[in-house]
Amino acid sequence: GQNIDQPTEMTATEGAIVQINCTYQTSGFNGLFWYQQHAGEAPTFLSYNVLDGLEEKGRFSSFLSRSKGYSYLLLKELQMKDSASYLCAVKRGSTLGRLYFGRGTQLTVWP
Amino acid sequence: GAVVSQHPSWVICKSGTSVKIECRSLDFQATTMFWYRQFPKQSLMLMATSNEGSKATYEQGVEKDKFLINHASLTLSTLTVTSAHPEDSSFYICSARTAGESEQYFGPGTRLTVT
Repeated sequence: GQNIDQPTEMTATEGAIVQINCTYQTSGFNGLFWYQQHAGEAPTFLSYNVLDGLEEKGRFSSFLSRSKGYSYLLLKELQMKDSASYLCAVKRGSTLGRLYFGRGTQLTVWP
Repeated sequence: GAVVSQHPSWVICKSGTSVKIECRSLDFQATTMFWYRQFPKQSLMLMATSNEGSKATYEQGVEKDKFLINHASLTLSTLTVTSAHPEDSSFYICSARTAGESEQYFGPGTRLTVT
């Protein structure tokens, strides 16, 4: 099985920086994804880490430490539209590439 | 590119009936498609994985005979919820990926309500 843990809720103000953590325990680890999901909509891809280190893409960065089973998503210069649920997902296996999601972190950005 | 559609976007059906949900990859060939279910304020739960032309692989606890999956072509997979019950009411989301790529592309989801 797999245990994927992330905080349930976070709040921040516009212009701030927020870090959303994700820890996991799984067999057959083959990468970690971060997705953004607005209520009632499908998830949209944010980042993918398969090797240790930091991946930066605009206002979003994601970090992975495989030895610690730990990742974080860093959001800079927060905007109101960033209010959403952020899902950490672990990929298992290379053939089928199944994704297993955490419960999601509901981020609320205040003006 | 990499657009996945689902049909219908929402459906209401009576208890005991069956409902079919379609998932299509519009501009790429989806060698693998995935079906997820999401209950309110919860995360996505993987139900099954299907490869084109072969039987689906179901996750533990998901009833094969209740959730029938057909991946008949490289652009279409269907999920049929048979003998639906109110507890099957949920948001069903499919995703698709092509061979050699890690990223999955998600459809917009189908909200099923069973009365």
